[in-house]
Amino acid sequence: EDQVTQSPEALRLQEGESSSLNCSYTVSGLRGLFWYRQDPGKGPEFLFTLYSAGEEKEKERLKATLTKKESFLHITAPKPEDSATYLCASREDSSYKLIFGSGTRLLVRP
Amino acid sequence: KAGVTQTPRYLIKTRGQQVTLSCSPISGHRSVSWYQQTPGQGLQFLFEYFSETQRNKGNFPGRFSGRQFSNSRSEMNVSTLELGDSALYLCASSLRGTNTGELFFGEGSRLTVL
Repeated sequence: EDQVTQSPEALRLQEGESSSLNCSYTVSGLRGLFWYRQDPGKGPEFLFTLYSAGEEKEKERLKATLTKKESFLHITAPKPEDSATYLCASREDSSYKLIFGSGTRLLVRP
Repeated sequence: KAGVTQTPRYLIKTRGQQVTLSCSPISGHRSVSWYQQTPGQGLQFLFEYFSETQRNKGNFPGRFSGRQFSNSRSEMNVSTLELGDSALYLCASSLRGTNTGELFFGEGSRLTVL
């Protein structure tokens, strides 16, 4: 069965302390790996799409990378406003549905 | 430009009742998909509509149904509610569907079943 697994479940960082979130996937015929950010009480907000191994995307303090089996979301010098749940999702070849991981809850303390 | 609008935002129902949730996508978006979010299961795909046609359906019982109108607005219905249906129901719209993964989510309808 196609699966997306995220780790760690929760992460606490000090402001300025860089780290990475992991997303591993077992999807046959991957047609995209996607990252979202979700704030409490809100719907997820789209961040990145990655299609092929080696691809990288950046946005402010966030950089997403993709290998053949996993994706990383690197957070450089995070600020308290980066605190949120980060979700990754995959889309398989034959389907229009996205399979979401359970998310990583990130807390950045000032 | 206005975002995705979901109504109602909160509702409480009792077991056995039915509920209809509404979603107005971003203007010009023809794809609407629905997801159920719970603490235990996370975000799970319900179904996607594109130009009034259901393109895919998730692994949910037949009590969960949906439709899309010619103006791209969508509704989902859950009949014979069970306690386990308590969740945040999220609607997402996109221009072309999930191809690019760039979905725009609404704030959700939080359903509590007593």
